[in-house]
Amino acid sequence: GQSLEQPSEVTAVEGAIVQINCTYQTSGFYGLSWYQQHDGGAPTFLSYNALDGLEETGRFSSFLSRSDSYGYLLLQELQMKDSASYFCAFSSGGYNKLIFGAGTRLAVHP
Amino acid sequence: SAVISQKPSRDICQRGTSLTIQCQVDSQVTMMFWYRQQPGQSLTLIATANQGSEATYESGFVIDKFPISRPNLTFSTLTVSNMSPEDSSIYLCSVVVVGGPSREADTQYFGPGTRLTVL
Repeated sequence: GQSLEQPSEVTAVEGAIVQINCTYQTSGFYGLSWYQQHDGGAPTFLSYNALDGLEETGRFSSFLSRSDSYGYLLLQELQMKDSASYFCAFSSGGYNKLIFGAGTRLAVHP
Repeated sequence: SAVISQKPSRDICQRGTSLTIQCQVDSQVTMMFWYRQQPGQSLTLIATANQGSEATYESGFVIDKFPISRPNLTFSTLTVSNMSPEDSSIYLCSVVVVGGPSREADTQYFGPGTRLTVL
């Protein structure tokens, strides 16, 4: 079957670094995406990895290891506004269909 | 990127009725999808809206319950039929844009969602 696993909750303090892990299982895999969703808002795209390695976008970085079926999202210099849910998702089927993980709720404290 | 609007933003409906949700995009897109998200939960793909042909439904979702139309590249509707309280959820459309760099092709943009409550 197809599935993704990520922690349900993560807590951190302002200015810290946090890593949200995601492991996946699927027979067809095209890439791993990360989305951020604030309460009451729509999911917004953060990052995408099609190949192994690290992708950096400002304070956010994402990593993928296809051989380990594993990826992570790294958030640096945490700010209060980073408190949100973060979803990993993989592309399956070759036409951008996304399967989402259950989401990780990040709480950033002063 | 793409700007997506959905109508209505929220609605409260009676059991047994139907609601049609509209999704409008400001640019031509290749793919349009409909998702459901219950409060505090993840997103579940309902179907892929195909232009000019029947939608492609995911396991557990059927056309009679969730009929979808996509008459052109920028507009789609999802109908939630014969509603029950279990259909209370947020319904989101998402799109993949046309003609961007490869990263754009892998990026989905989501509409603001329609919050549906069924009594």
